[in-house]
Amino acid sequence: SQQGEEDPQALSIQEGENATMNCSYKTSINNLQWYRQNSGRGLVHLILIRSNEREKHSGRLRVTLDTSKKSSSLLITASRAADTASYFCATGPGSGNTPLVFGKGTRLSVIA
Amino acid sequence: NAGVMQNPRHLVRRRGQEARLRCSPMKGHSHVYWYRQLPEEGLKFMVYLQKENIIDESGMPKERFSAEFPKEGPSILRIQQVVRGDSAAYFCASSPGGGLAKNIQYFGAGTRLSVL
Repeated sequence: SQQGEEDPQALSIQEGENATMNCSYKTSINNLQWYRQNSGRGLVHLILIRSNEREKHSGRLRVTLDTSKKSSSLLITASRAADTASYFCATGPGSGNTPLVFGKGTRLSVIA
Repeated sequence: NAGVMQNPRHLVRRRGQEARLRCSPMKGHSHVYWYRQLPEEGLKFMVYLQKENIIDESGMPKERFSAEFPKEGPSILRIQQVVRGDSAAYFCASSPGGGLAKNIQYFGAGTRLSVL
């Protein structure tokens, strides 16, 4: 079953604006990851945040995690047309090699 | 290292035929995962394998579906007697056995199965 939900399902913004996507999950986790999928392609790992971390940065990406609310957010700053893709959060229940549980994704469109 | 390689990229089968999907993990990775994605949906876990062993097949239908990861060669996801509902994109991912990156999965480009 799906672990959680991304919100919004679809987001359309102008180039240069910031994009914020949210993810909620249901069970306890060891880590939460965000992946990007361009149309017709495989998923690309963006960033991982562990359950004992609250915020993490990578380039134009900022991820927050609130384990008390079982939620995470992904912020993309100064968006570009090339950021157009679907973004998925995925939770890892264990610390080792475990299958990931994905949400349904947010479809981001960045208009030049 | 070309990353995770899946083939074929597109596969068309008629109802009742067999589909064989192949996945070669990244070099040095011993863990393979198969996921299925329906249009406008997220990925759903099917099966997790290490070399010669199935670790978790809780997401894979009990009938018609099987998976293997032999000592030599790629991992194979096999679907027998395909039905239209099997039409989907099937993604393979791999991860290393240990280290800091063990939680991160690296995905192939997927196989898009169409059942006529």
